[in-house]
Amino acid sequence: DTAVSQTPKYLVTQMGNDKSIKCEQNLGHDTMYWYKQDSKKFLKIMFSYNNKELIINETVPNRFSPKSPDKAHLNLHINSLELGDSAVYFCASSQEGSIEAFFGQGTRLTVV
Amino acid sequence: GNSVTQMEGPVTLSEEAFLTINCTYTATGYPSLFWYVQYPGEGLQLLLKATKADDKGSNKGFEATYRKETTSFHLEKGSVQVSDSAVYFCALSESPGGYNKLIFGAGTRLAVHP
Repeated sequence: DTAVSQTPKYLVTQMGNDKSIKCEQNLGHDTMYWYKQDSKKFLKIMFSYNNKELIINETVPNRFSPKSPDKAHLNLHINSLELGDSAVYFCASSQEGSIEAFFGQGTRLTVV
Repeated sequence: GNSVTQMEGPVTLSEEAFLTINCTYTATGYPSLFWYVQYPGEGLQLLLKATKADDKGSNKGFEATYRKETTSFHLEKGSVQVSDSAVYFCALSESPGGYNKLIFGAGTRLAVHP
């Protein structure tokens, strides 16, 4: 069983479109994250949710809107996609109070 | 703010060579430190961690020791294999408002040749 799963694995879309990436974890964790890995492999946190509440928002453009319908899911919706949004997006989860995060396989987003 | 600096890659080694990937950090307080590995086409996997000064994390033959005096967490392996070829990320955990987030280094690509 995959602990943290993301869909889709690959996403190719045109500039200006709106797209969503879904993430689910079956570890029973309270906290979920979105990280962005750019073309140079640099990883940076975007958002974190704890029990469906936003707790970290790292100066991400308003076009990015995370949604957590329950604590096992954290989806990422992106409006008006731009070329610079092309990256690999990783979802992760951790148990509140734990320092260890578990990552999904990543979603490679390509905006053309 | 907190930050992590890793040696630039790529690092190219022959099989059975000794590996060191340097990592230093800047942080207030005493964060936990991690090495994550990303194999080609895959997501991030935790390789090892250390939560306090002088702790040694180890896994799959890799080791790293939390050195407070030099603010370092260098990754080492005595004999690398072709299957170790991957990108290695050093990271620290900071806790704004009590919730953890990871600060990553830029990653170091390792290529091991037979």
